Amino acid sequence: QVQLVQSGAEVKKPGASVKVSCKASGYTFTSYGISWVRQAPGQGLEWMGWISAYNGNTNYAQKLQGRVTMTTDTSTSTAYMELRSLRSDDTAVYYCARNGEYSSSLFDYWGQGTLVTVSS
Amino acid sequence: QSVLTQPPSASGTPGQRVTISCSGSSSNIGSNTVNWYQQLPGTAPKLLIYSNNQRPSGVPDRFSGSKSGTSASLAISGLQSEDEADYYCAAWDDSLNAPVFGGGTKLTVL
Repeated sequence: QVQLVQSGAEVKKPGASVKVSCKASGYTFTSYGISWVRQAPGQGLEWMGWISAYNGNTNYAQKLQGRVTMTTDTSTSTAYMELRSLRSDDTAVYYCARNGEYSSSLFDYWGQGTLVTVSS
Repeated sequence: QSVLTQPPSASGTPGQRVTISCSGSSSNIGSNTVNWYQQLPGTAPKLLIYSNNQRPSGVPDRFSGSKSGTSASLAISGLQSEDEADYYCAAWDDSLNAPVFGGGTKLTVL
C-alpha cells in the first residue's frame, strides 16, 4: 500500500531554515511527483510546489520562489522540502502528497503532516 | 483570498442530501478538471473525488461530483455523522501555472 511518512515536528526561530522529509513506499517512486502543501492554523490548504521524482524538475509557488527548495533522493525514495528565512506566518502543518508525473491538482496520497512552529 | 470560492460552512441532518459549491474562472475550472478533498478533524486531507466526478476506490457512492462551466459541486447524500469534516475543491490554473484550492467548507452534521 502507498505510504508517505514525514519527519517529526520542528520548532524554529525567525530567520532560520527547516528541512522536512517525506519517505515514500508501496509504489515506484520515480514514476510520480511529490507536491508540498501547507496549512496554517485554522486556515485552508496552500500549494507550495512540486518536484518530479523522475528527473528533479520543479515548479514552485510564486510567493515562495527564492525561499523554498525541493529535492529527492531516489536511493531512499525520500522527498525533501527546505524553507529558508522563516517567519512567524510560516507556522503551519506541512504535508507532502503524491502527484502525477506532471504537476497537477490531483494529490492521491498524503503524508501525515509535519508541524513547523516559528517562534522567537 | 482563495482563487476558488467555496461557502465557509454547510450543514445538514443525518440522511439528508447536501451540496457544496466551488466557483472559479475560465483559467481554472473552466478549462481543467476539479478534484475534491475531505479533511477529517486533526487528519491529513484525503482524495474524495477526482476528474470532476470519479470516486477513488473505497469512497462510498454517497459522494458525487459535477462540473458545469466555471463551477463545480460536491454532493453528499444519506448524510452521516462521520461526514463531518472540511471539504476542499482544487483545480489547475493555467494563468498561475499552479494548482489552486478553494478556501474550504466546514460541514456540520446536526
